[in-house]
Amino acid sequence: KQEVTQIPAALSVPEGENLVLNCSFTDSAIYNLQWFRQDPGKGLTSLLLIQSSQREQTSGRLNASLDKSSGRSTLYIAASQPGDSATYLCAVRPLSAGGTSYGKLTFGQGTILTVHP
Amino acid sequence: EPEVTQTPSHQVTQMGQEVILRCVPISNHLYFYWYRQILGQKVEFLVSFYNNEISEKSEIFDDQFSVERPDGSNFTLKIRSTKLEDSAMYFCASSARAGLSTDTQYFGPGTRLTVL
Repeated sequence: KQEVTQIPAALSVPEGENLVLNCSFTDSAIYNLQWFRQDPGKGLTSLLLIQSSQREQTSGRLNASLDKSSGRSTLYIAASQPGDSATYLCAVRPLSAGGTSYGKLTFGQGTILTVHP
Repeated sequence: EPEVTQTPSHQVTQMGQEVILRCVPISNHLYFYWYRQILGQKVEFLVSFYNNEISEKSEIFDDQFSVERPDGSNFTLKIRSTKLEDSAMYFCASSARAGLSTDTQYFGPGTRLTVL
């Protein structure tokens, strides 16, 4: 059964710092991996999707990497801002038997990020 | 930009009552999902739906739960007889095609269900 773990559970940094959030998963048979942002009491906003064949993906100040063989992904946030404060969730989409995937996502518990001015 | 919408934003019900949570997925999407998040816990997959039938469901999705696409735009989750432990945030999601590794799931803002 796929398990997804994120560390640290919480992170507090001053504005302007570069930071790294970590995600690990137990089964390397994945279809893709998505990073989401969740603001308090709100829905999930997709930030980046990395296909299983990719090593990294970039969007603005965000860079996500994937090492499928070791079961790890990192989300790098450059020059953090107070508006980046949120919970960041990592989710993997496993491969089903036969190499297909119906889209089910398995989530980590999230990293709560606080960026203070 | 197209988005997934959900109604109501908050639903309060008595234990044993039936509730229907509603979602309008992004209009050209073909795959639909329900997830839930109990307060302080991980987001958990409930069910995926394609071509008017369930394609995958979790152990949570027992006989008390059902999903339906009653028309061309709505996607609903029904809980027949709510229990206290059904209290959670329920998220609807949709994707254009689940068969591509580039396929992104887009989530709605959620419905907070409180069972008293």
